[in-house]
Amino acid sequence: GAVVSQHPSWVICKSGTSVKIECRSLDFQATTMFWYRQFPKQSLMLMATSNEGSKATYEQGVEKDKFLINHASLTLSTLTVTSAHPEDSSFYICSAPTSGVNTGELFFGEGSRLTVL
Amino acid sequence: AQSVTQLGSHVSVSEGALVLLRCNYSSSVPPYLFWYVQYPNQGLQLLLKYTTGATLVKGINGFEAEFKKSETSFHLTKPSAHMSDADEYFCAVSERAGNQFYFGTGTSLTVIP
Repeated sequence: GAVVSQHPSWVICKSGTSVKIECRSLDFQATTMFWYRQFPKQSLMLMATSNEGSKATYEQGVEKDKFLINHASLTLSTLTVTSAHPEDSSFYICSAPTSGVNTGELFFGEGSRLTVL
Repeated sequence: AQSVTQLGSHVSVSEGALVLLRCNYSSSVPPYLFWYVQYPNQGLQLLLKYTTGATLVKGINGFEAEFKKSETSFHLTKPSAHMSDADEYFCAVSERAGNQFYFGTGTSLTVIP
């Protein structure tokens, strides 16, 4: 199957700093990527849809100025948590859909756990 | 609008017993349906999916699920639970390829030795 890779897997930062999380499709091109946030023992909450070459589409209630998404190429999307605060601590997961034999399927990155002190 | 309901946030079964994780969905169009498993501190791995064709789909690790349109259900089953099956399971629905996924709230499976 297709491979999606996230980096870093774990990140600890001080309150007020910014953190960038990268999501790469390693063996396919992704014009769309989805960013999710997951709180402990809860489901995935869609934050935004990242579109290559255009602005991301944010879900209601998600602050676009705090969670900056850039889809710079067909294989890379980044999520930057700006001026992070402890309440931004969470597990962030990206995913990308593919075409061909895997049509309709979402492939997920390994996730990035952010802890803001 | 689409939604997914997973009945039972926690399910416990004995090792060797049948596993049944329930998923019901609502969709205005023929859905694509998925079951994913999440290992601790990791992303999600696809267990199986239904897009078109045969309504009984088989996935990895001995899991299978049946799409029942009349019941709007896509329950996940495994004949005999193994200790390694203890994880978090998510049901998801999408309208078409590449479209937004909607996830259920997840079911945590515990396997009792």
